[in-house]
Amino acid sequence: QLQLQESGPGLVKPSETLSLTCTVSGGSISSSSYYWGWIRQPPGKGLEWIGSIYYSGSTYYNPSLKSRVTISVDTSKNQFSLKLSSVTAADTAVYYCARHGIMITFGGVIALDWFDPWGQGTLVTVSS
Amino acid sequence: QSVLTQPPSASGTPGQRVTISCSGSSSNIGSNYVYWYQQLPGTAPKLLIYRNNQRPSGVPDRFSGSKSGTSASLAISGLRSEDEADYYCAAWDDSLSWVFGGGTKLTVL
Repeated sequence: QLQLQESGPGLVKPSETLSLTCTVSGGSISSSSYYWGWIRQPPGKGLEWIGSIYYSGSTYYNPSLKSRVTISVDTSKNQFSLKLSSVTAADTAVYYCARHGIMITFGGVIALDWFDPWGQGTLVTVSS
Repeated sequence: QSVLTQPPSASGTPGQRVTISCSGSSSNIGSNYVYWYQQLPGTAPKLLIYRNNQRPSGVPDRFSGSKSGTSASLAISGLRSEDEADYYCAAWDDSLSWVFGGGTKLTVL
């Protein structure tokens, strides 16, 4: 059974860089059938997609966060990571990692699909 | 302000049928699939419906999804107390981003 686990500091200072890692167990991150994504949820609010990465390193980023986000993959460790720079209090959230499905469209184009499963999430607070 | 619009709350009594709406635009729901996620209190979201109306294995057939134009709906029939959760719709937007609704808190009375 595939499981994902987020890890990293729970407290980050304003203007610094938030760094999180997602460890995948029960399956290979090098599967050609999936991307791997990050999603966040501010306390009491809704979900926001941050970005997704393929085992080859190909990425999609949320345009609203793109200038501050870097997602990378380490296939040897079966992990992928998130870096978010210049954080402010608005970046305080529970950060989730998730497997991101792929589908083939009618035109034969590869497109992103569902998020499943999700990690349990980790709360990151931005505060001095 | 979420790109997809959901009612903030919904409610029903056990056994009832409830629906949750999700409104978008031609660049997201109007041209791409809709997904639904269930978030039980204190837990991570779980995939409930994918590609408008498909259920992952293990999801009861009491849950169903539909889409028409730039709107979508999640229906839950035979409402049970364990269905009390937050429900989120999602879709790919042609601006190259996944977008979510603000979530609907379902209360089972």
